Amino acid sequence: QQQVKQSPQSLIVQKGGISIINCAYENTAFDYFPWYQQFPGKGPALLIAIRPDVSEKKEGRFTISFNKSAKQFSLHIMDSQPGDSATYFCALNAGANNLFFGTGTRLTVIP
Amino acid sequence: EPEVTQTPSHQVTQMGQEVILRCVPISNHLYFYWYRQILGQKVEFLVSFYNNEISEKSEIFDDQFSVERPDGSNFTLKIRSTKLEDSAMYFCASRDRNYGYTFGSGTRLTVV
Repeated sequence: QQQVKQSPQSLIVQKGGISIINCAYENTAFDYFPWYQQFPGKGPALLIAIRPDVSEKKEGRFTISFNKSAKQFSLHIMDSQPGDSATYFCALNAGANNLFFGTGTRLTVIP
Repeated sequence: EPEVTQTPSHQVTQMGQEVILRCVPISNHLYFYWYRQILGQKVEFLVSFYNNEISEKSEIFDDQFSVERPDGSNFTLKIRSTKLEDSAMYFCASRDRNYGYTFGSGTRLTVV
């Protein structure tokens, strides 16, 4: 199975701060790199996604940075809010059949 | 906004019993998936389904598991003889052509 390494495992950030979560992958045969947000008792919800032909994508306070040569991509949450407290998963799309998820990062934003 | 609907939200079953988890994917999606998440762990792929057949399955998806799309709207996961280690959250997902996966809220399966 494809390996996706996600870090950190947990993250505590003050309100208004920047949250940064990183993912690294091994295989180059991926064409879609989404981030999912999951609240307790709920399914993962798509937050933001990027394709490998761009290096950065911004949607509101959320930015994905993508480094194709290093096989890394990261999620930046600007002006973090307590409502952002959740578990975040990076994922890789492997063709038409599957999403491979990272191990998750539990983010806590302190008021 | 369209949703993926899963029922039941929580299922408790005795070890060795059969369970069927149900999902109603988004109506115009063509690709369907089951994932599971053991408490506090990552989301793991089980199986993908397209054009009325399994397109890929993981090593977790052994002979005890089966999927079916019995009609035009439902997508089911059956576990024939549940084990304690099958206890997990099971998520159904469906996808459009642009890789927009939508996940349901999950079924918490507890095997006792």
